[in-house]
Amino acid sequence: DQQVKQNSPSLSVQEGRISILNCDYTNSMFDYFLWYKKYPAEGPTFLISISSIKDKNEDGRFTVFLNKSAKHLSLHIVPSQPGDSAVYFCAASPAGGTSYGKLTFGQGTILTVHP
Amino acid sequence: EAQVTQNPRYLITVTGKKLTVTCSQNMNHEYMSWYRQDPGLGLRQIYYSMNVEVTDKGDVPEGYKVSRKEKRNFPLILESPSPNQTSLYFCASSLSWGETQYFGPGTRLLVL
Repeated sequence: DQQVKQNSPSLSVQEGRISILNCDYTNSMFDYFLWYKKYPAEGPTFLISISSIKDKNEDGRFTVFLNKSAKHLSLHIVPSQPGDSAVYFCAASPAGGTSYGKLTFGQGTILTVHP
Repeated sequence: EAQVTQNPRYLITVTGKKLTVTCSQNMNHEYMSWYRQDPGLGLRQIYYSMNVEVTDKGDVPEGYKVSRKEKRNFPLILESPSPNQTSLYFCASSLSWGETQYFGPGTRLLVL
């Protein structure tokens, strides 16, 4: 049962354009969401996060949007650069309860930014 | 340098031969966690630890054990590895739960 889903295995965009990566979740207990970026042969690195009390969080070229009613979040990268080419994972965690400390990831989306 | 280290980085073993993958962090982090990455499945949490002597199951704990006897170390133990445990394993740590997690470089395991 995949509670966090990234339905697009890959995305290809031109340098300078916008990249939009999507993520859907099913567990209504999730209230904190994160995006990680992963290059080959390296561990994932944290990119940006958002709490359920917000619907948008921005950090430089990266913006995460959260639509709680649709259980959907997206990561926007503007403008996209070739160095952004990587696998992007979204992840979600619950506020508390018995699952406090758990982090659930999506399957990942491979982003390729062409020069 | 602040980091999470894992050893070994690559390991080939045979079914049933007990093995341990070590994870160590030098950042005095309370929270540590193990994940496995498999094609099409993304990262899945195996076990996590909120602090010393406190561990709990993630989404895929079957076939794995962990211990947290000291703050810096969080070894992953496979008592009797099977081929379905062939995977890429990542250890991660954070100052506390909810803080940014820092990942190790990964351990690629092949069980024959």
